[in-house]
Amino acid sequence: NAGVTQTPKFQVLKTGQSMTLQCAQDMNHNSMYWYRQDPGMGLRLIYYSASEGTTDKGEVPNGYNVSRLNKREFSLRLESAAPSQTSVYFCASSEGTGRREQYFGPGTRLTVT
Amino acid sequence: RKEVEQDPGPFNVPEGATVAFNCTYSNSASQSFFWYRQDCRKEPKLLMSVYSSGNEDGRFTAQLNRASQYISLLIRDSKLSDSATYLCVVNLYGNKLVFGAGTILRVKS
Repeated sequence: NAGVTQTPKFQVLKTGQSMTLQCAQDMNHNSMYWYRQDPGMGLRLIYYSASEGTTDKGEVPNGYNVSRLNKREFSLRLESAAPSQTSVYFCASSEGTGRREQYFGPGTRLTVT
Repeated sequence: RKEVEQDPGPFNVPEGATVAFNCTYSNSASQSFFWYRQDCRKEPKLLMSVYSSGNEDGRFTAQLNRASQYISLLIRDSKLSDSATYLCVVNLYGNKLVFGAGTILRVKS
């Protein structure tokens, strides 16, 4: 099992460009998450999907959109990238929400210039 | 006060030492607690869940103190390979886990 996979691993964007980060899991998990990690701030939840067909905002959703394409895949879109979105983005999945442990993908390092 | 608070460290310890980290959380109704490990430029990985009665996994012991609202992680006989950032994770509200900013551990030979 690959677990949670993310593409791309690295990306450089110019301000105003758009891109989609892809995430897939093969653990048959119901719930999926997108986080960003910035130095000294820990992981912050951007959006999550408790189950296929549902999505909800997390702590820092502004500037992002998500799509739960099917049970396996959960994508994160930046419509108009800003330098403040320079970060490391992690996708995670879990069997259920809330009390269940989460499993993370390897991350995408995004730089917006 | 941060919702989940950890001492950022770094904790610099020699090989073989015992080291302990604490993590405080803000919501007394929190139900689930975890410790994750994150190596430099890698994803967080689950180290262990924390149970009410405390639990042990090899050299690692986790404790929960509900009265004082903190969890702890004790590492015995530290190895060089234990060098990492340790993240405290708490289910504070509803459907979401909240991650602490992490404690850096450096084990030196």
